[in-house]
Amino acid sequence: GNSVTQMEGPVTLSEEAFLTINCTYTATGYPSLFWYVQYPGEGLQLLLKATKADDKGSNKGFEATYRKETTSFHLEKGSVQVSDSAVYFCALRVPRFFGNEKLTFGTGTRLTIIP
Amino acid sequence: DSGVTQTPKHLITATGQRVTLRCSPRSGDLSVYWYQQSLDQGLQFLIHYYNGEERAKGNILERFSAQQFPDLHSELNLSSLELGDSALYFCASSPRVTLEDSTLHFGNGTRLTVT
Repeated sequence: GNSVTQMEGPVTLSEEAFLTINCTYTATGYPSLFWYVQYPGEGLQLLLKATKADDKGSNKGFEATYRKETTSFHLEKGSVQVSDSAVYFCALRVPRFFGNEKLTFGTGTRLTIIP
Repeated sequence: DSGVTQTPKHLITATGQRVTLRCSPRSGDLSVYWYQQSLDQGLQFLIHYYNGEERAKGNILERFSAQQFPDLHSELNLSSLELGDSALYFCASSPRVTLEDSTLHFGNGTRLTVT
């Protein structure tokens, strides 16, 4: 079946450090890939997405590139801030004709940024 | 604010009891998705409704049921509750039956504690 594997957390970094959160996937067909972020006490919000191979999604200084050859969608940010502390979820969507319509999520990676 | 409203925010109940979680989707959204977030299993898809009809089922227990009403709000009913049902339950909505070119918008969740 379809699945997403994220690097296990928690991840703790100092402010202005470089961030990478790894995400790999297994899917039939050509999935769309997403990163969602969950701030404390809130629901998930879409951070960025990519719908086809070699697409780069970006938002708020975060980037991720859809790599079909390595089935990966790693999240990166060049200089993190305390306000980036949150839980980050990688997710995929397989086009409907391959199965049920839903997003499949990874287990989430908790990120804490220390001033 | 995502526009998705979930009530109640917190629910504490005893084993064997039954509870109802409520979700109002964003204005104009016809699809409602339910997800369960637990510490050991991450975010698990439960069920998807579109315009009052069930469209897809995920890992939803037989003790759980859901429906979507004509005004498009949805309820998730959990019965014969067990300790392991303690989790954060999220509702998400989107405009159409598919997620093509659209995004899931999440509510802030209902935290269920079974004692």
